[in-house]
Amino acid sequence: GEDVEQSLFLSVREGDSSVINCTYTDSSSTYLYWYKQEPGAGLQLLTYIFSNMDMKQDQRLTVLLNKKDKHLSLRIADTQTGDSAIYFCAESPGGYNKLIFGAGTRLAVHP
Amino acid sequence: DVKVTQSSRYLVKRTGEKVFLECVQDMDHENMFWYRQDPGLGLRLIYFSYDVKMKEKGDIPEGYSVSREKKERFSLILESASTNQTSMYLCASFAGTGVTEAFFGQGTRLTVV
Repeated sequence: GEDVEQSLFLSVREGDSSVINCTYTDSSSTYLYWYKQEPGAGLQLLTYIFSNMDMKQDQRLTVLLNKKDKHLSLRIADTQTGDSAIYFCAESPGGYNKLIFGAGTRLAVHP
Repeated sequence: DVKVTQSSRYLVKRTGEKVFLECVQDMDHENMFWYRQDPGLGLRLIYFSYDVKMKEKGDIPEGYSVSREKKERFSLILESASTNQTSMYLCASFAGTGVTEAFFGQGTRLTVV
């Protein structure tokens, strides 16, 4: 079946790195995604990784994929207060035009 | 600027009422979705549609139906609203191929009293 799991809450100090983790079950997903939801808004695509890659870097964001363990992580370097949001991990099971989301990790950044 | 527009930000309805939530996208996307978002449960897929007049059940379709008469519009219908349908409802759309960049509406916070 399709299931995506992630921890619900993470608190970090401003300037530190944040690491948000996710596990998924469907190995047929071609891409895996990180979406961000700011307060009062819908979700926006933050970054994604192709399933045959191990790592993708995009400015302050680093995505790591361990396909064997079905584990995905998002690292945010030099975390700022503007990074406070809910981060959702998502997969798109092969052959289906739909996205399956995790429960979301609420990132709180404090001074 | 791409847009997914949901007709209402906030709605309060009575138990037993028939409720319509409307979603319109201007990107000519084939795929449209309705999710509900609840704390600790994330986004759960209610229904989706990959073409006009086509619909597929998601993970939690009970108590809901949908309508897609035109490509740009996807409606979610609560046949007889109940208090356990109090939630945030999010509409999303994306194109049919490649990276699934879904575009979301702002959400409708529905309270059933």
